[in-house]
Amino acid sequence: QKEVEQNSGPLSVPEGAIASLNCTYSDRGSQSFFWYRQYSGKSPELIMSIYSNGDKEDGRFTAQLNKASQYVSLLIRDSQPSDSATYLCAVNTGNQFYFGTGTSLTVIP
Amino acid sequence: EAGVAQSPRYKIIEKRQSVAFWCNPISGHATLYWYQQILGQGPKLLIQFQNNGVVDDSQLPKDRFSAERLKGVDSTLKIQPAKLEDSAVYLCASSQSGGFLNYGYTFGSGTRLTVV
Repeated sequence: QKEVEQNSGPLSVPEGAIASLNCTYSDRGSQSFFWYRQYSGKSPELIMSIYSNGDKEDGRFTAQLNKASQYVSLLIRDSQPSDSATYLCAVNTGNQFYFGTGTSLTVIP
Repeated sequence: EAGVAQSPRYKIIEKRQSVAFWCNPISGHATLYWYQQILGQGPKLLIQFQNNGVVDDSQLPKDRFSAERLKGVDSTLKIQPAKLEDSAVYLCASSQSGGFLNYGYTFGSGTRLTVV
């Protein structure tokens, strides 16, 4: 079982809709959780971090964490074409930092 | 604040040749990481430095890959000899000391290596 799993997609949503990206992780001892956005040919860019159960909002982005279910998600409200990218989930467990394979999101104008 | 600097941006080499990548982290960031990202996959940690000491190199193919961080600032990653499967983007990242738990990483622009 991989440490971090994501649906590779592609996920397509119309402009203005809510995009929902999901991630599960295997180690219950994981402490910190991150979402990175990666445009094609570019390096990953940190957009959200979350450490405790519940929701964390930052502008149009909301990260959700459920440690009991070992599940973390990212919601993007009012999706824009500029949000089209691959979204990487990253999980910190002890001294290890694991990335998922990413979910490709396309926002259709 | 200047970001993480990497060079070169692109490199094409033949298999069995050697190649080196350079990284300069954000000023004051004690922790430096090298990642390998193969097309369609997430980044995989190769090596982590804390100042000039190695914290984790468990996934570094030590028979062909080596890395150093002299003086706890710049770092160099070398591959010798290269194989076709080494074709990937090599990402350098840095974080404040112990900060990856709270701040996440800042990545450089990466070096795209193609081995032919």
